[in-house]
This record gives sequence, structure tokens and C-alpha cells, in this order.
Amino acid sequence: NAGVTQTPKFRILKIGQSMTLQCAQDMNHNYMYWYRQDPGMGLKLIYYSVGAGITDKGEVPNGYNVSRSTTEDFPLRLELAAPSQTSVYFCASKRSSEQFFGPGTRLTVL
Amino acid sequence: TQLLEQSPQFLSIQEGENLTVYCNSSSVFSSLQWYRQEPGEGPVLLVTVVTGGEVKKLKRLTFQFGDARKDSSLHITAAQPGDTGLYLCAGGNNAGKSTFGDGTTLTVKP
Repeated sequence: NAGVTQTPKFRILKIGQSMTLQCAQDMNHNYMYWYRQDPGMGLKLIYYSVGAGITDKGEVPNGYNVSRSTTEDFPLRLELAAPSQTSVYFCASKRSSEQFFGPGTRLTVL
Repeated sequence: TQLLEQSPQFLSIQEGENLTVYCNSSSVFSSLQWYRQEPGEGPVLLVTVVTGGEVKKLKRLTFQFGDARKDSSLHITAAQPGDTGLYLCAGGNNAGKSTFGDGTTLTVKP
């Protein structure tokens, strides 16, 4: 099992550009999550999904969109990148109460 | 919105000392998790507690869930440099959402 994989690992965007952060898991977990983590801080929930075709907003959803067409994949879309979106993004899937995290995507918006 | 407050935010101690980290909320959680995160990586689960008053031990780490399921503590005995990292608590609800605290950054000096 690869667990939770994320691509890319690093990305630099210009203000106003768009991009998709990819997340995939091979553990057949129904629950998946996207978080952002600013330096020295905890994780803020952006969006989550309880199963294919179902998504819901977290604490900080503005500026982001998600889709969940399959159990395995949960991409996060930034449409108009802003400097405030500079952060490290973590995807996670959940079995029971344990979340399994990917290695993260470090995004810088200049 | 359910909030989790962790204290202290930063902790620097010498090898061999004991320490306690706290995680407090005004909300009741169905479960509470403690994670450890190393720089450049995603959080890794240490323990889940679900019953009020529950105490779990993991080698030199002791976790306690408050009787009212609103707070938790993590106690480390005889800390070692390998314990250095960011310790995060996360509260879960029955809808599948998790709320993370801002973490405690622990540095154990040899």
C-alpha cells in the first residue's frame, strides 16, 4: 500500500493563477480531508468528504473547491491564487478515528 | 465552531525531564486524538481516547481524557531528544469532522 499520496510536493504560483493539488489513497477509506498548515500552527480544515460524490466545507473553504468522483481521489482546486493561500497543504484519509496523512504540498503564491 | 486550545505553545527541556501538554475545549468530543509531527512530514497518530476518564500509556507517554470529554493531557516521562516535534491534539465528532489544536512545539536538548 502506498497510503496517501500527494502531488506536487512543491509549487510556486503567481497571483491569479490556478492549480489543482492531487490526492489519492489506496486504503479504500470513505472519509478524506484537506487541511492547510501555516508555519508553527495547527491544521485548519478546508474541505472534507464522507464518500464518493459527497463533499462539505470545513473551517476555511473560501478560495478553494473540491470534487470526489471516486473513493480513491480527492483533488483540491485553487481558482485564483492569492498570497494568503501560501501554506503547506495536507490531504488525509480516515479509518475509524485515525487519520492517515500524505506528505504535504508546499505552495507559495507570489 | 468547536475550538481546541493547546498549552504551552512552546516547550524546551533537558533530556531526562518530565513534561505535560494540555488540550482544552468548551465542547464535548466523541473522541480525541494525539498526533506527532516532524518537520516536513504529515502528522502521525499516537493515540485515540474515547471514554471520559480514560488513561492510555504508550511506553513513556501517558494520555488522559477528561471525565467530561472536553479536555486531555499528554505526559512524557524522562523525555529524550527523539521526542522532539510538534504535538497536536484533534477532537472528532460523529459527523466525521476533526478540529485540530495549534500544537505544542517540544524541543528536548541532549
